[in-house]
Amino acid sequence: DAGVTQSPTHLIKTRGQQVTLRCSPKSGHDTVSWYQQALGQGPQFIFQYYEEEERQRGNFPDRFSGHQFPNYSSELNVNALLLGDSALYLCASSLPRNTEAFFGQGTRLTVV
Amino acid sequence: AQSVAQPEDQVNVAEGNPLTVKCTYSVSGNPYLFWYVQYPNRGLQFLLKYITGDNLVKGSYGFEAEFNKSQTSFHLKKPSALVSDSALYFCAVRDDLYNFNKFYFGSGTKLNVKP
Repeated sequence: DAGVTQSPTHLIKTRGQQVTLRCSPKSGHDTVSWYQQALGQGPQFIFQYYEEEERQRGNFPDRFSGHQFPNYSSELNVNALLLGDSALYLCASSLPRNTEAFFGQGTRLTVV
Repeated sequence: AQSVAQPEDQVNVAEGNPLTVKCTYSVSGNPYLFWYVQYPNRGLQFLLKYITGDNLVKGSYGFEAEFNKSQTSFHLKKPSALVSDSALYFCAVRDDLYNFNKFYFGSGTKLNVKP
């Protein structure tokens, strides 16, 4: 049983560009959350998707957007990249009424 | 608002000795508390959780945590540390157990276990 898978594992982008990160949830999970983990910090909640809709959002600007597909996979899009967007982006999947979340290995984004 | 504090950036312990990684929390309702571990270049792995019931929670890899409501703490413990336990540990709290939850993470504590 595959866990949460994210792609790509590493990415280098230039300031001002746009990036798309992808996440496939654990089998049977229908809720996907995205987190940003800056170097030396704990993960911070970006947003959560369930039934193809954004259900909750953290304190992130509109440059951060997402999407969930009918097969429950999800994308995180970041526009107009800033140097400060450099971080490890983690995807977590769960069932909406389950207490645990399972995390992927993350995508390391470097903005230069 | 929910928040978690991990007062120690780093904890050093010798292999075979007991270890404690500290966590305190602040929540407006019932606390739902979690510990996750992160190895280099890896995502977060679930260790244990406190939802309700016994204050001593047992988890994966021999770890346990003690919930203390009066001190608003949820310290992670292990009786005998292994070198392989060396990693980054995160305490987290959830603001809602069942509906479109999100985690609030602490800043992390790096555990170094020396042979």
